Amino acid sequence: KQEVTQIPAALSVPEGENLVLNCSFTDSAIYNLQWFRQDPGKGLTSLLLIQSSQREQTSGRLNASLDKSSGRSTLYIAASQPGDSATYLCAHRSSSSNTGKLIFGQGTTLQVKP
Amino acid sequence: GAGVSQSPRYKVAKRGQDVALRCDPISGHVSLFWYQQALGQGPEFLTYFQNEAQLDKSGLPSDRFFAERPEGSVSTLKIQRTQQEDSAVYLCASSMRQEQSKNTQYFGPGTRLTVL
Repeated sequence: KQEVTQIPAALSVPEGENLVLNCSFTDSAIYNLQWFRQDPGKGLTSLLLIQSSQREQTSGRLNASLDKSSGRSTLYIAASQPGDSATYLCAHRSSSSNTGKLIFGQGTTLQVKP
Repeated sequence: GAGVSQSPRYKVAKRGQDVALRCDPISGHVSLFWYQQALGQGPEFLTYFQNEAQLDKSGLPSDRFFAERPEGSVSTLKIQRTQQEDSAVYLCASSMRQEQSKNTQYFGPGTRLTVL
């Protein structure tokens, strides 16, 4: 069974800190890796999508990297703000899937304290 | 310009009742996915439609779960004889076409189902 694991499960940091969220996956046949944000009671918002041919993607204070050989992705958040508090999910799309379904990690719940 | 919408947002059912959850995807989106998210967990794939065709239902946990998309737009997820372990948030997502390499899935707000 394909697995996606996220570490840590929860993280609390003071405002202004830089932080790294980790995601590992067992299926090396990766099509792309996507990071989502989920706020309580809300759906998922796509943050960054990295194709298998790419090593990283950046959007504002967010940077996501992909290392296919080690089966890992990281999400780097610079200068964290209280508004960044949410659950962050990574999702793996396999190149062996013909439907595009995503396999999600269990998420990292981030709290940024003012 | 509206996103994916789902209704109802919250549903409380007594054990044994049947429920129907609705998803309105973004207009023109060919692909539609249903996911189940238990408390404190990531979403898990249930089923996938391309237009009206259900191409993958490998994630449906039992034959009590049934999904349809008869006209290739709105989809309904039906759960018969609900049980407490069915309590979860049910998320719907749509995308333009699954084979496009840069395609992303757009998620609705989910329906939170509580089975008493």
